[in-house]
Amino acid sequence: AQSVTQLGSHVSVSEGALVLLRCNYSSSVPPYLFWYVQYPNQGLQLLLKYTSAATLVKGINGFEAEFKKSETSFHLTKPSAHMSDAAEYFCAVSDQGSSNTGKLIFGQGTTLQVKP
Amino acid sequence: DAGITQSPRYKITETGRQVTLMCHQTWSHSYMFWYRQDLGHGLRLIYYSAAADITDKGEVPDGYVVSRSKTENFPLTLESATRSQTSVYFCASSLGQGVSEAFFGQGTRLTVV
Repeated sequence: AQSVTQLGSHVSVSEGALVLLRCNYSSSVPPYLFWYVQYPNQGLQLLLKYTSAATLVKGINGFEAEFKKSETSFHLTKPSAHMSDAAEYFCAVSDQGSSNTGKLIFGQGTTLQVKP
Repeated sequence: DAGITQSPRYKITETGRQVTLMCHQTWSHSYMFWYRQDLGHGLRLIYYSAAADITDKGEVPDGYVVSRSKTENFPLTLESATRSQTSVYFCASSLGQGVSEAFFGQGTRLTVV
């Protein structure tokens, strides 16, 4: 079965520092990949998605992610953290055989703390 | 307003009671989903629906019932609530074409006492 692993349940960075949130997936066929952000007491909002068109994907709020097939990874980065980036981040993969349905398998989530 | 809405936002119920969580979307998306969010587990799929009157089980369906008589509504019922069903529940929808991402509601925080 497919799975998604997010390394580190909590990541803490200083304001202005690089943000790196790690995501690895298991799939024999390159899937569609997504990063979502969840602010406190809110639903999930799409940050970006990988559709095989380009390996480097740019999203909202200055985030980007790079798909690396050889490493089965899709890490999320942002050059300079803002206080407003503090939230929980989820990596997700499209369910194999259901890539166009929106049916997703989620990682465990990473809470990003941004220190002033 | 257009979008996907869940009600109620917060609910406290007693063990053994039946409770229904509502989900409504205005986009006419084909697919709808129910996830539960628990610490350390991320989001896990409970049930999903490809269209009206078509539903299927997800990863954790036990103790839940769904129906979809209209495209825009996808209620989730806990037939006899248990403490282990205390969670945050998210409804989502997707167009079901191309690379479909899921659009999420605000969530319902359910506490079973």
